Amino acid sequence: DAGITQSPRHKVTETGTPVTLRCHQTENHRYMYWYRQDPGHGLRLIHYSYGVKDTDKGEVSDGYSVSRSKTEDFLLTLESATSSQTSVYFCATHTRDSYEQYFGPGTRLTVT
Amino acid sequence: SQKIEQNSEALNIQEGKTATLTCNYTNYSPAYLQWYRQDPGRGPVFLLLIRENEKEKRKERLKVTFDTTLKQSLFHITASQPADSATYLCALAPSGGGADGLTFGKGTHLIIQP
Repeated sequence: DAGITQSPRHKVTETGTPVTLRCHQTENHRYMYWYRQDPGHGLRLIHYSYGVKDTDKGEVSDGYSVSRSKTEDFLLTLESATSSQTSVYFCATHTRDSYEQYFGPGTRLTVT
Repeated sequence: SQKIEQNSEALNIQEGKTATLTCNYTNYSPAYLQWYRQDPGRGPVFLLLIRENEKEKRKERLKVTFDTTLKQSLFHITASQPADSATYLCALAPSGGGADGLTFGKGTHLIIQP
């Protein structure tokens, strides 16, 4: 898994509560990504980072924010979780050298 | 709008045969195309990348073709084995370098039957 961990791996939360998911990498990769995966939609990009404190929005960024204060950590925050944010969230990293993306094991989030 | 389409139905192949998966795209001019494998409960794993100026790429039992005129990539697994059963994802980098993320197809579920 290219040294990528995600925490928590599973979480159940209630509508309206804030949630933060963490991605940690040990590969010193500059680029990091958050995707969500839902049946019928495939993987969709939420936000990405191209360096410490440098982030940008992806295709489905509404309701999500991110922060990257260190190269190894990329946090995804749901300020006020909604049932539509029930999904599996994957973190990924990328190097310019090879173009391939390395994915973490995923976090299954259920919003009740 | 930009679109990536993969076989939506599961693909059942007998062990030992060649499995062929299709990825079609519209409104893209990708510099390259990637294929990933995803097993249940796990993150995708990179398999192969093919560039726009390459017609074919091979890696062991895997072969990928890329036809930018047809806007199509074919992914072949020869001498298929039950262990090849998984979901296979096609991905494009809209802006070429992929640094600002990939766009994925929904994936094709491949089942190799003994």
